[in-house]
Amino acid sequence: EPEVTQTPSHQVTQMGQEVILRCVPISNHLYFYWYRQILGQKVEFLVSFYNNEISEKSEIFDDQFSVERPDGSNFTLKIRSTKLEDSAMYFCASSEALAGREAFFGQGTRLTVV
Amino acid sequence: TQLLEQSPQFLSIQEGENLTVYCNSSSVFSSLQWYRQEPGEGPVLLVTVVTGGEVKKLKRLTFQFGDARKDSSLHITAAQPGDTGLYLCAGAGNNDMRFGAGTRLTVKP
Repeated sequence: EPEVTQTPSHQVTQMGQEVILRCVPISNHLYFYWYRQILGQKVEFLVSFYNNEISEKSEIFDDQFSVERPDGSNFTLKIRSTKLEDSAMYFCASSEALAGREAFFGQGTRLTVV
Repeated sequence: TQLLEQSPQFLSIQEGENLTVYCNSSSVFSSLQWYRQEPGEGPVLLVTVVTGGEVKKLKRLTFQFGDARKDSSLHITAAQPGDTGLYLCAGAGNNDMRFGAGTRLTVKP
């Protein structure tokens, strides 16, 4: 069964460093998303991406965040200068057709900023 | 920002009992999804409801979308310990999908 895959599963980085989280969405899906979940808290929307551009972003997605689809399969989230409060699970998701509907999630990347 | 309120936040019941959890908003959604999340894993899609008043069944789980497409409920019949988990609702906007905080269900044997 097709699935969204994310790498790495766990990343530890020093404060101020740049990190890139990688995702391979389901192949025929058109919409891609990043979400964040701080430990014990709710799943928070970061950004949606369609047709090689950002469709919508939340107030969390500030200038230190960027997304890219560098080739036909990967979808990346870059955090330019990590802060302690960026420590969280980051989930990638994709959906086939209509935006925001029936998104399938990856297993997440646990980011720890020290 | 479309805000989804889920209630109750926590629910602990005995095996065999029935339960209902709620997802409410002041906003209208084009669709609403229910997910289940296990610790350390990504949310897993259970169902999507699209039409106001729609009812969908998934074995012992019954999902209903409110007539005005602002709220939804999840009813579990004869709960089992395997139903234990975090149940999340998520409403679809034009280009995004926002989650409620979830209901953490514990079913004791």
